[in-house]
Amino acid sequence: KQEVTQIPAALSVPEGENLVLNCSFTDSAIYNLQWFRQDPGKGLTSLLLIQSSQREQTSGRLNASLDKSSGRSTLYIAASQPGDSATYLCAVPAGRRALTFGSGTRLQVQP
Amino acid sequence: SAVISQKPSRDICQRGTSLTIQCQVDSQVTMMFWYRQQPGQSLTLIATANQGSEATYESGFVIDKFPISRPNLTFSTLTVSNMSPEDSSIYLCSVKGRKRPMNTEAFFGQGTRLTVV
Repeated sequence: KQEVTQIPAALSVPEGENLVLNCSFTDSAIYNLQWFRQDPGKGLTSLLLIQSSQREQTSGRLNASLDKSSGRSTLYIAASQPGDSATYLCAVPAGRRALTFGSGTRLQVQP
Repeated sequence: SAVISQKPSRDICQRGTSLTIQCQVDSQVTMMFWYRQQPGQSLTLIATANQGSEATYESGFVIDKFPISRPNLTFSTLTVSNMSPEDSSIYLCSVKGRKRPMNTEAFFGQGTRLTVV
């Protein structure tokens, strides 16, 4: 059974810092990996989708990498802003095509 | 991408009652899912909503408690029945596209924040 782990569980940084969020998964036979953002009490916003054949995917200040063989992905946020404060979740497809989620990293960017 | 409208966005309900949550998508999609997010937790899959047939439930979730309908490719409902305070959670609808759903991006509605008192 696929298990997804995210570290750290929480992170607080001053505005302007570059930061890295980590995601690991136990079964490397994945089709893709997706990063989401969740604001408190809200739904999920898709940030980046990396296919298994890709190593990196970029969107604005966000860069996600994928190393299937080691079962790891990172989300790099450049020049963090207070508006980036949210919980970040990674997820991989599981049986029946739904997603298995990590427990998330709660990010607070201090102005 | 898909635009998902989920209603209601939040509700406060009395224990013992039922609430039906609606999920409407702006395009035909193959896969529709319902997730639960308990306070401070990550998302857990409740079931896959199947068009025209019974939903496929995950371990720990049963049809009597969480009946699901999916009459067509753009609409689904989840009912939380005979509610108790333990059902207080965010309930989220998710979809994947018609082609190659294993490879495609998943999209989520804005969630329904349910509080049972």
